Amino acid sequence: NAGVMQNPRHLVRRRGQEARLRCSPMKGHSHVYWYRQLPEEGLKFMVYLQKENIIDESGMPKERFSAEFPKEGPSILRIQQVVRGDSAAYFCASSPRGQGETQYFGPGTRLLVL
Amino acid sequence: AQSVAQPEDQVNVAEGNPLTVKCTYSVSGNPYLFWYVQYPNRGLQFLLKYITGDNLVKGSYGFEAEFNKSQTSFHLKKPSALVSDSALYFCAVRDTGGGNKLTFGTGTQLKVEL
Repeated sequence: NAGVMQNPRHLVRRRGQEARLRCSPMKGHSHVYWYRQLPEEGLKFMVYLQKENIIDESGMPKERFSAEFPKEGPSILRIQQVVRGDSAAYFCASSPRGQGETQYFGPGTRLLVL
Repeated sequence: AQSVAQPEDQVNVAEGNPLTVKCTYSVSGNPYLFWYVQYPNRGLQFLLKYITGDNLVKGSYGFEAEFNKSQTSFHLKKPSALVSDSALYFCAVRDTGGGNKLTFGTGTQLKVEL
């Protein structure tokens, strides 16, 4: 049983470009979470999704960032018009259900904005 | 809002000695507490969690953690450290406001030396 899959593992973008980060949850998991880890910092929650629904986006920046988890396919975190401050590791986690369930993390996507 | 504090940026211990990585939390209501470990350029691996029940929780790789409600602490312990335990350890608390997001501490770098 494969774990949480994220791709790409490394992504380089120039300022102003778009970044798309993909996350496939563990088999049987219908809840997905995105976290961002800035250099020398802990992980910060961004967004919590179920299939076709955003449950909690309280950690998402108001502009340029969006997330989706369609009925079919992986969850996508999209960053438009990237800036250097977006350079970070972005981690996806999944759980079978919501409340109190353990979240299992993917290997992360390391975004570098030049 | 909930918060987690990991007061030590780094802990050094000799192989074979017991180790403790400290964590204190602040949350309204009953806490759900987690420990994760992160190896370089990898995602977070789940170690253990406390939801309810016995205050001493046993987890993966010989780790355990003790929940202390009066001291609002959830310290991670292992009786005999291994060099391979050297990694970054994160304590986290789950949102008690009905959501499922995790709030992480800033992490403690554990270094186990021969």
